[in-house]
Amino acid sequence: QVQLVQSGAEVKKPGASVKVSCKASGYGFTNYGITWVRQAPGQGPEWMGWISAYNGNTNYAQMLQGRVTMTTDTSASTAYMELRSLRSDDTAVYYCARGGGSLMPDYWGQGTLVTVSS
Amino acid sequence: EIVLTQSPGTLSLSPGERATLSCRASQSVSSNFLAWHQQKPGQAPRLLIYAASSRATGIPDRFSGSGSGTDFTLTISRLEPEDFAVYYCQQYGSSPFTFGPGTKVDIK
Repeated sequence: QVQLVQSGAEVKKPGASVKVSCKASGYGFTNYGITWVRQAPGQGPEWMGWISAYNGNTNYAQMLQGRVTMTTDTSASTAYMELRSLRSDDTAVYYCARGGGSLMPDYWGQGTLVTVSS
Repeated sequence: EIVLTQSPGTLSLSPGERATLSCRASQSVSSNFLAWHQQKPGQAPRLLIYAASSRATGIPDRFSGSGSGTDFTLTISRLEPEDFAVYYCQQYGSSPFTFGPGTKVDIK
């Protein structure tokens, strides 16, 4: 069965960086993209971008351009999302999901809580 | 950027009743690439409907989606206790692939 397992919770200080991993199993990793979505406390989901696991092409949300990098390690069927220059309003649960481009996010990881606090 | 508006914000219903949720887009959604996700407290979202009207794998047939262009609807024909949750629409036809603010379906 399709599974996406994310890395554990992180606490970071303002200005630091965080890198969240998302290990996929149960399907051909390079046949799909990986979408990243975040959800601040009490808010709705916010689309961050996606990466093609086939060729590494990315599409980032404009609001995060310059601060976010999405990568994949196809040998490990794992996707990564790095967010730099963290601010308090980056505090959120970060989710990865299979899909991207013209494919809807259909299977979701369990989420990773990132807390940014001094 | 396509802005999605969902109504109502909260829907208070009893088990067995019919729920009708609306999602309106600020411009036409390309290829009707509109999805509906369900989210329960402390859980990840779960895909229910994609391409406006196709049910995702394992989703019961009491969930149905309809609509095209800028107006979309999610219908739950008879609410089960496990259906009380928040429902988000998302368009994935034009980047950025935006989400609506959600409709909370709670127990009356």
